[in-house]
This record gives sequence, structure tokens and C-alpha cells, in this order.
Amino acid sequence: SQTIHQWPATLVQPVGSPLSLECTVEGTSNPNLYWYRQAAGRGLQLLFYSVGIGQISSEVPQNLSASRPQDRQFILSSKKLLLSDSGFYLCALTDRATEAFFGQGTRLTVV
Amino acid sequence: AQSVTQLDSQVPVFEEAPVELRCNYSSSVSVYLFWYVQYPNQGLQLLLKYLSGSTLVESINGFEAEFNKSQTSFHLRKPSVHISDTAEYFCAVIPGYSSASKIIFGSGTRLSIRP
Repeated sequence: SQTIHQWPATLVQPVGSPLSLECTVEGTSNPNLYWYRQAAGRGLQLLFYSVGIGQISSEVPQNLSASRPQDRQFILSSKKLLLSDSGFYLCALTDRATEAFFGQGTRLTVV
Repeated sequence: AQSVTQLDSQVPVFEEAPVELRCNYSSSVSVYLFWYVQYPNQGLQLLLKYLSGSTLVESINGFEAEFNKSQTSFHLRKPSVHISDTAEYFCAVIPGYSSASKIIFGSGTRLSIRP
């Protein structure tokens, strides 16, 4: 079955520092991959969506970027973090349109 | 464009009372429908889904949802809630049946159970 590995679980970074969050998947090929962010007490905000290697759709203008260098690898990055980048980041996948699977998330605190 | 609306951002209920979390969607094509649950500091877990067949679907922990095509709704219900049901619940749709279809989530409903 499909599995998503997302790390680290928690991260504290200073303002202005770079960011790299990695998500890898197992048990499927050519999935659609997603990065979501949840601010405290808020719903899911879709950040990036990918249907294949090198294909990234950005849903909102922001300080973040995403890359998909391999079929089962999805990376969220920033060159300089802002306080407003704090939140709970979730990686997800869908395949064959039957449901979405989620990683356990990364709690990012920018200080 | 497709969208999902969860009409209640928060629903407080007493333990052992019934609950209904409302979800309506908008789509020009057929959809798959889902409810996900999120416990604090965790990812989302699939609660139940409607793909085809019977419009009433059930989860293993007593929740059920009914697909109503004419009202474009997929409300989640449980006849008697427990403290352990305290969580955030997200309704979602996948419009169309293409492998490239993107899942779309509602804004979530926070269910809080009072003893």
C-alpha cells in the first residue's frame, strides 16, 4: 500500500534561514503529489501540486518553492524564511483518483 | 470550477449526543467524495469514501455519510459521539475520473465533545 515519509517532524528555524522539507513515497508510481500548509486553527492551504517529474503548479504566490526531481520525491524549499512561514506542513499523494494519503506532517516554527 | 463548502467551522456537542457535519460541493463533472479526520499534530486519515454504488457509506468507528446528488451534499453523521471523536474533519472531492484530477478540500470542521 501507499506510504508517505515526511521529515523532520518538528523544525525550529530563524528568520532568514533556508528551508528544505523532503517527502518520499512508496508503494505507487507516478502519483500526484501535494504540499499543504495549516496555520494554527486554520484549514488546509494547497501550496504546490505536481502530476509528474519536473511538473509543479503553484497555487498561491509566496516565499516558497517546490521541486520534484524524482517520481517519488517532492521537496519544499525556501531561500529565506519569514515569520509567516510558520505552520504545519503536510505532504500528500493521490493515485488513480481513488483517495489521498498523507504524511505525518512537519511542524515548522520560524523564530 | 470545483469547490467544497463545510458550513460549520466548529461544532460543539455533548458526549453520547448525535452529530452532523455538513458538506456541500460544486462540480460540473461527477466526483468521488471523502471525509478525512485529523487528530492534533497528525496528518489526515481517511474516514470514509464514496466512489460508486450505495450512496450510504460507513466507517469502522460508527460514522456514516450519504451522497445526495440532487443536493450536491455529503454530510457526515454519527448517532452517538465519544470523547475520542474530538478532532478536525475535512470533506474532500476528486472531480472527474482522470488520474490527473486534483483533490479539493473543504475548510474543515472542528468537532469538540463535552463530557
